[in-house]
Amino acid sequence: NAGVTQTPKFQVLKTGQSMTLQCAQDMNHNSMYWYRQDPGMGLRLIYYSASEGTTDKGEVPNGYNVSRLNKREFSLRLESAAPSQTSVYFCASSETGFTDTQYFGPGTRLTVL
Amino acid sequence: SQELEQSPQSLIVQEGKNLTINCTSSKTLYGLYWYKQKYGEGLIFLMMLQKGGEEKSHEKITAKLDEKKQQSSLHITASQPSHAGIYLCGAFLAGGTSYGKLTFGQGTILTVHP
Repeated sequence: NAGVTQTPKFQVLKTGQSMTLQCAQDMNHNSMYWYRQDPGMGLRLIYYSASEGTTDKGEVPNGYNVSRLNKREFSLRLESAAPSQTSVYFCASSETGFTDTQYFGPGTRLTVL
Repeated sequence: SQELEQSPQSLIVQEGKNLTINCTSSKTLYGLYWYKQKYGEGLIFLMMLQKGGEEKSHEKITAKLDEKKQQSSLHITASQPSHAGIYLCGAFLAGGTSYGKLTFGQGTILTVHP
């Protein structure tokens, strides 16, 4: 099992460009999450999907959109990238939501110039 | 201020020494998770604690959740260079408004000198 996979691993964008971060899990989990990690801030939840067909905002959703494509895949889109979105992005999944262990992907390092 | 405070923020120890990392909240913790992160990599799940007074061990790492479920500690015995990395605690807090919202501490950077 690959667990949670993310593509790309690294990306550099110019301000105003758009891109989509891809995430897939092969653990048959129902819930999936997108976090961003910034120095001194820990991890903050951007969006989550409790189950296939549903998505909800987390703590810092502004400037992002998500799509739960199917049970395996959950993508994060930046429509018009800003320097404030320079961060490391992690995707995670869990069997269900509340108090279930979340398993994380390797992360995407995004720099917006 | 952080809802989940970790201390210390960084720690440098000599190989073979014991060390403790703390994770403290002003709210009751429902499900306390410890993760380890190496630079440039994702978070690796270490342990989960749910019950007050619970203690779990894996190899040389022991985690405890206090009786009041507001503080957890992670203890490493006889540290090795392979233990180096960033340790993060994450928890579901009482009064949280988001489904599955795992709140994280800011992390503790551990360096182990051979």
